[in-house]
Amino acid sequence: GAGVSQSPRYKVAKRGQDVALRCDPISGHVSLFWYQQALGQGPEFLTYFQNEAQLDKSGLPSDRFFAERPEGSVSTLKIQRTQQEDSAVYLCASSSRGSVGVSGNTIYFGEGSWLTVV
Amino acid sequence: GESVGLHLPTLSVQEGDNSIINCAYSNSASDYFIWYKQESGKGPQFIIDIRSNMDKRQGQRVTVLLNKTVKHLSLQIAATQPGDSAVYFCAENRMDSSYKLIFGSGTRLLVRP
Repeated sequence: GAGVSQSPRYKVAKRGQDVALRCDPISGHVSLFWYQQALGQGPEFLTYFQNEAQLDKSGLPSDRFFAERPEGSVSTLKIQRTQQEDSAVYLCASSSRGSVGVSGNTIYFGEGSWLTVV
Repeated sequence: GESVGLHLPTLSVQEGDNSIINCAYSNSASDYFIWYKQESGKGPQFIIDIRSNMDKRQGQRVTVLLNKTVKHLSLQIAATQPGDSAVYFCAENRMDSSYKLIFGSGTRLLVRP
């Protein structure tokens, strides 16, 4: 597709339920990012992939959060035993190269997966 | 986290006026900055960027100003239109983490017709 695609767009989960959020980056993009955005706040970094390698997962809030990108394209963010504080928008982004500041290396965001834990 | 507060500062402007949105960044080691626009229910959309070796950059109807001395960034939108209504975020990139963006807390821009 032309942009970063995320699914589901909206997910309501019962507390304790596991959820999986999918991201289809722009075709050919090497870098893939996951960000978490709480209501009224800016996005916060969760994790970064370069191709299939997860180079940084320092932003994942707990060991209940797990991300993978096994073939270097589609990525899945999994949250186990969801809790109310997990309610947020989960944004996926991709770029053609790794370093943000490289000329022309724009980071493109998807529209997000809105997770509500009840 | 880097962002604080549930209440976004709001800037209300008359259609056709110029808008100035401000952002303070935290780390003097940051060397690349981006402004994003986020409309309701959508992801952040790239507007304009600037490197730390510049103090001004212009795009179409937008200008970004960088003051490294006081660690301040601003986005100027000329002839603001209703379609400019959104939340605007600045983001910084630090040299010690070339791929990671640190977002500010955002400003809501409301354009009055």
